Amino acid sequence: GAVVSQHPSRVICKSGTSVKIECRSLDFQATTMFWYRQFPKQSLMLMATSNEGSKATYEQGVEKDKFLINHASLTLSTLTVTSAHPEDSSFYICSARGTIGALNTEAFFGQGTRLTVV
Amino acid sequence: RKEVEQDPGPFNVPEGATVAFNCTYSNSASQSFFWYRQDCRKEPKLLMSVYSSGNEDGRFTAQLNRASQYISLLIRDSKLSDSATYLCVLQTDSWGKLQFGAGTQVVVTP
Repeated sequence: GAVVSQHPSRVICKSGTSVKIECRSLDFQATTMFWYRQFPKQSLMLMATSNEGSKATYEQGVEKDKFLINHASLTLSTLTVTSAHPEDSSFYICSARGTIGALNTEAFFGQGTRLTVV
Repeated sequence: RKEVEQDPGPFNVPEGATVAFNCTYSNSASQSFFWYRQDCRKEPKLLMSVYSSGNEDGRFTAQLNRASQYISLLIRDSKLSDSATYLCVLQTDSWGKLQFGAGTQVVVTP
């Protein structure tokens, strides 16, 4: 099946610093990327949806100035957590949907990034 | 009320037994329904789509009841490798926006 590569898988950063997470679709064109966050024993919560070349659409309660999303190409989207705080520690997962040939794909997930802010 | 509700479990199942669980949803406009599987600290992986007519994939059977707004998953002849958290997932728009339940944990014991 199609592959979505997310990097890094794990990151520890100091409070106040920024962290960038990359999500790449390796063998298909990802027209839409979704960014989720999952706290322990909770469901994945959608943070934002981005379409290639457009500004991301953020879900209610998600600060767009804190979670910067860039989707400049059909194979790469990035999420930057700016001025990270301990409460931002979570499991961040990207999901990509797009086309392989003329067919629309299901949503494929990256491997996730476990962010710990100390 | 949560938009997607699942019994968190855990469902402790002897190897070889059958286990079934439901998921209820509140958005009647939901377009598509799925079961995903998530292993500890890993990304979710699609297990199967769910259709109104009911569908089977090997030992897994899924059902959708739109009138009562629930979907179900049944696992027959449980294997140790079936131990995981099963996520009920709805697609709520044509862009592929997904809404996740918190998951039902299944633990298959020898």
